[in-house]
Amino acid sequence: SQQGEEDPQALSIQEGENATMNCSYKTSINNLQWYRQNSGRGLVHLILIRSNEREKHSGRLRVTLDTSKKSSSLLITASRAADTASYFCAIRGSNYKLTFGKGTLLTVNP
Amino acid sequence: DTEVTQTPKHLVMGMTNKKSLKCEQHMGHRAMYWYKQKAKKPPELMFVYSYEKLSINESVPSRFSPECPNSSLLNLHLHALQPEDSALYLCASSQVSGSNQPQHFGDGTRLSIL
Repeated sequence: SQQGEEDPQALSIQEGENATMNCSYKTSINNLQWYRQNSGRGLVHLILIRSNEREKHSGRLRVTLDTSKKSSSLLITASRAADTASYFCAIRGSNYKLTFGKGTLLTVNP
Repeated sequence: DTEVTQTPKHLVMGMTNKKSLKCEQHMGHRAMYWYKQKAKKPPELMFVYSYEKLSINESVPSRFSPECPNSSLLNLHLHALQPEDSALYLCASSQVSGSNQPQHFGDGTRLSIL
């Protein structure tokens, strides 16, 4: 299965702290993407990192990719209460499908 | 606000009913997707349309019938559904299927089968 596996499954932090979520996968990938989903809403694309890239930044988000370890991490710095959501990694493999991991539920307490 | 619009937002139907879910995007995307998401689970791909042609069907039961009338519209026709089909149905679009492009999601239709 190409499905990514996130850990932790749930993370609770205080506002202002950093949040780190990890994603591991088993097969070769074309790219890896991170999405956010607020309760009752659709998914919002955060960052796409290609298989030949090692790190990408977007605002308070930093994503790393280690293809030798088949893992990626998403770091959210200086978290805010509005960052409370589920975060999913998604694997795009050679068959062009996007397969989502099980997700990390992040709660940022004010 | 999302750029992919799904209607209705909520739908309750009996197992003998026929209904349709609708999805619309005006971003010029030529790939459109249907996903099913159960509570506290990740989205699962159902169908992919590329240039208005069905390119991927993830072995979805025939009680779900997709349709892509044009490049902006995607429908999902429902008939004789089962209680286990209750879920959030998400539509997404992207510039071209298989490229390094993100998918844009609607807010979904929450479907309940009585």
